Amino acid sequence: KAGVTQTPRYLIKTRGQQVTLSCSPISGHRSVSWYQQTPGQGLQFLFEYFSETQRNKGNFPGRFSGRQFSNSRSEMNVSTLELGDSALYLCASSLAYFLLGEETQYFGPGTRLLVL
Amino acid sequence: TQLLEQSPQFLSIQEGENLTVYCNSSSVFSSLQWYRQEPGEGPVLLVTVVTGGEVKKLKRLTFQFGDARKDSSLHITAAQPGDTGLYLCAGVSPEETSGSRLTFGEGTQLTVNP
Repeated sequence: KAGVTQTPRYLIKTRGQQVTLSCSPISGHRSVSWYQQTPGQGLQFLFEYFSETQRNKGNFPGRFSGRQFSNSRSEMNVSTLELGDSALYLCASSLAYFLLGEETQYFGPGTRLLVL
Repeated sequence: TQLLEQSPQFLSIQEGENLTVYCNSSSVFSSLQWYRQEPGEGPVLLVTVVTGGEVKKLKRLTFQFGDARKDSSLHITAAQPGDTGLYLCAGVSPEETSGSRLTFGEGTQLTVNP
């Protein structure tokens, strides 16, 4: 069974631009979560989608948004990029709503975004 | 906002030694997870603990959830070079929590030297 895939793997953007990252979950998984990982802040939860609905959101500004499609694939968008948005963006999928606490989530390899 | 303090941040030990990593918070979590992450990859779940006082063992790794469900520890016995990696704890807050319900510790970078 294929794992979680994320595209692109690497991305370079300049300040003020916007970016869209894509995540394809494991087949059959209906929940997708997004995370930002930086050396200074560590791993931080962005949001979780289940059945095309955002179920929980982390403490990030409105420039960070996402959506989930009917096939469970998800996209994350960051508008008006800032230097501090440079990070590894990780996607994870689980069979059901992860934050119920009992589900196992599987992470993809991440998209490394560099903002210049 | 819930905080999860993880210590130590860095640990470099010799093969065969034992070690313990701690995650502490003033908040109660409904569950707590431990992950290991290797360079260039996403974190991989090691264990989930749900019940206060719960102890789970995974080969040479022992995980404990505090009685009050506010803290957890990971103990590795006879560490091996293959244990090298970034260890992360993550707490899931109860459903009635406002805002983000998932909090990660800062991580412990473990290096086991042969």
